[in-house]
Amino acid sequence: GEDVEQSLFLSVREGDSSVINCTYTDSSSTYLYWYKQEPGAGLQLLTYIFSNMDMKQDQRLTVLLNKKDKHLSLRIADTQTGDSAIYFCAESTGNTGKLIFGQGTTLQVKP
Amino acid sequence: DVKVTQSSRYLVKRTGEKVFLECVQDMDHENMFWYRQDPGLGLRLIYFSYDVKMKEKGDIPEGYSVSREKKERFSLILESASTNQTSMYLCASSARDRVYEQYFGPGTRLTVT
Repeated sequence: GEDVEQSLFLSVREGDSSVINCTYTDSSSTYLYWYKQEPGAGLQLLTYIFSNMDMKQDQRLTVLLNKKDKHLSLRIADTQTGDSAIYFCAESTGNTGKLIFGQGTTLQVKP
Repeated sequence: DVKVTQSSRYLVKRTGEKVFLECVQDMDHENMFWYRQDPGLGLRLIYFSYDVKMKEKGDIPEGYSVSREKKERFSLILESASTNQTSMYLCASSARDRVYEQYFGPGTRLTVT
């Protein structure tokens, strides 16, 4: 079945860039997503990218998609302490809206 | 703003009890979902619904059932709670024509003792 993999932990210094990586197996993925979960909260949709795109930029966030390698990344420029959270990669196929999530990457931002 | 609310933030139940988790959304969304979140496993889909009275099994439906009698409300039912159902439960919703925008509730942390 479909699978989405992420590394579990990333630590960066405030002001540095963070890059969170994700790989997926379903070649028919339609959309790929990044969600953010702050402590004690639900998931917040950060951004999504359609599978026929290579890149999407939104303020400090840059999403890169390498469809050939089935690799998705999220770059956060000028990382702040408020960016400390768990980041989930997810993918969906077709119009079902069913999401397959990765395990989540905990981003720790050190002052 | 889309709002998805869940009936409880924290819940403690005993093994064998019947447990109801309620989710309500206020944006007239057709699609609703129940996930459970466990450390190191991410979120896994339990059940989802495309419309009133419709339901589809997700990846881990065993031990759960659902009910959708009204469009805005989607209930998750644990018929006989077990300790391995201790988890964080998250509800989500999306519009049929914007399936890529799924909105999540704050979650219910359920402990079964």
